[in-house]
Amino acid sequence: DIQMTQSPPSLSASVGDRVSITCRASQGISNSLAWYQQNPGKAPKLLLYGASKLESGVPSRFSGGGSGTDYTLTISSLQPEDFATYFCQQYYSTPQTFGQGTKLEIK
Amino acid sequence: EVQLVQSGTEVKKPGESLKISCQGSGFSFTSYWIGWVRQMPGKALEWMGIIYPGDSETRYSPSFQGQVTISADKSITTAYLQWSSLKASDTAMYYCARGEVVVAATPGWFDPWGQGTLVIVSS
Repeated sequence: DIQMTQSPPSLSASVGDRVSITCRASQGISNSLAWYQQNPGKAPKLLLYGASKLESGVPSRFSGGGSGTDYTLTISSLQPEDFATYFCQQYYSTPQTFGQGTKLEIK
Repeated sequence: EVQLVQSGTEVKKPGESLKISCQGSGFSFTSYWIGWVRQMPGKALEWMGIIYPGDSETRYSPSFQGQVTISADKSITTAYLQWSSLKASDTAMYYCARGEVVVAATPGWFDPWGQGTLVIVSS
């Protein structure tokens, strides 16, 4: 199985800050990576796929990048609704695997 | 509107069996994968397995192989996750999600997700 190591586990930031979250795969995954946002008590919501492709309707302040084994989700200017938990997912091979999550909290 | 609607909260005793459902609408049910994801309280998402209703191809995570069964009835656009003998450690929220078909017909990212089914197993 491909292991996904996500960091940091938690992050405190303020409205307007720029933040980045990283996922490292245990082997190359050829940009087969998605990012999700989950609010408390809600189902996850797709933000990006293919490492950098923004899902329709997702604000452009969200962006993704990376290659090989290392990928990053960046939020350029945090808004109040962005404080949530974020997960990465590799779909390069089954079993697909998720990162452990990053909880983004208001400073 | 593309959506997945899951069955409601279940409260069961250890050793009981259970089958939860996920009904898709607004898309061609036989042209996408349907995956199942576990989330224990306060924990990360865990990929359990996935089914392609078009031909019933099913893949499991080794962690869940033999512990659950994934199936689908394409005539009623519904996928299922079932247990033959529940344990207290099965207490969790279970999500279904539509899996995109990517290269070589393999499953890709999940979108959308169902609202989740809470399963509580307690004596």
